[in-house]
Amino acid sequence: DTGVSQNPRHKITKRGQNVTFRCDPISEHNRLYWYRQTLGQGPEFLTYFQNEAQLEKSRLLSDRFSAERPKGSFSTLEIQRTEQGDSAMYLCASSGGVGGEGPETQYFGPGTRLLVL
Amino acid sequence: KQEVTQIPAALSVPEGENLVLNCSFTDSAIYNLQWFRQDPGKGLTSLLLIQSSQREQTSGRLNASLDKSSGRSTLYIAASQPGDSATYLCAVGGDDMRFGAGTRLTVKP
Repeated sequence: DTGVSQNPRHKITKRGQNVTFRCDPISEHNRLYWYRQTLGQGPEFLTYFQNEAQLEKSRLLSDRFSAERPKGSFSTLEIQRTEQGDSAMYLCASSGGVGGEGPETQYFGPGTRLLVL
Repeated sequence: KQEVTQIPAALSVPEGENLVLNCSFTDSAIYNLQWFRQDPGKGLTSLLLIQSSQREQTSGRLNASLDKSSGRSTLYIAASQPGDSATYLCAVGGDDMRFGAGTRLTVKP
């Protein structure tokens, strides 16, 4: 396992449809994070998990957004009833391994780019 | 609420020049500060992480400093190369990191 992977890499959907994104973290990492990034801005924190526990979700953008990490491994981010304003890059990161730059260092995946028509 | 600002928003330099990127934050009670690089359309690559108890970190041609009392961090890039062209982002916090908008760096051959 060489890094964080995200699928799909690109998603085009029509307004009102539901979409789900998947993130597979680095295997030994116990923390997993979701961010949203719009053009010209830095990533915006959405939520994170330690193992299967979702420790922060108050910054999810609305109740249309939900995330799961049922077995403490991969995670999914779902957006229900998509709106054009949801168009963005959705990034996943993981941390918690030993060594490297330290356990707090977050390692990011390549992102899923969502376009809502 | 923590606000993170990066200045300048864009920077263009000739190859070989040393340069400094700036990051400021409003709340000095941070857990750590991390610098990232982002290439167009790609995810983020971690460059350096500074714990709140540290003042600087170095990796190769990169040196990052942290002054919590003034709410500032700098990323120093020595002997810049065209391959350094990217957007550089700083982020503060712990698990719920807050990012600046980034500095877009272009290094001209």
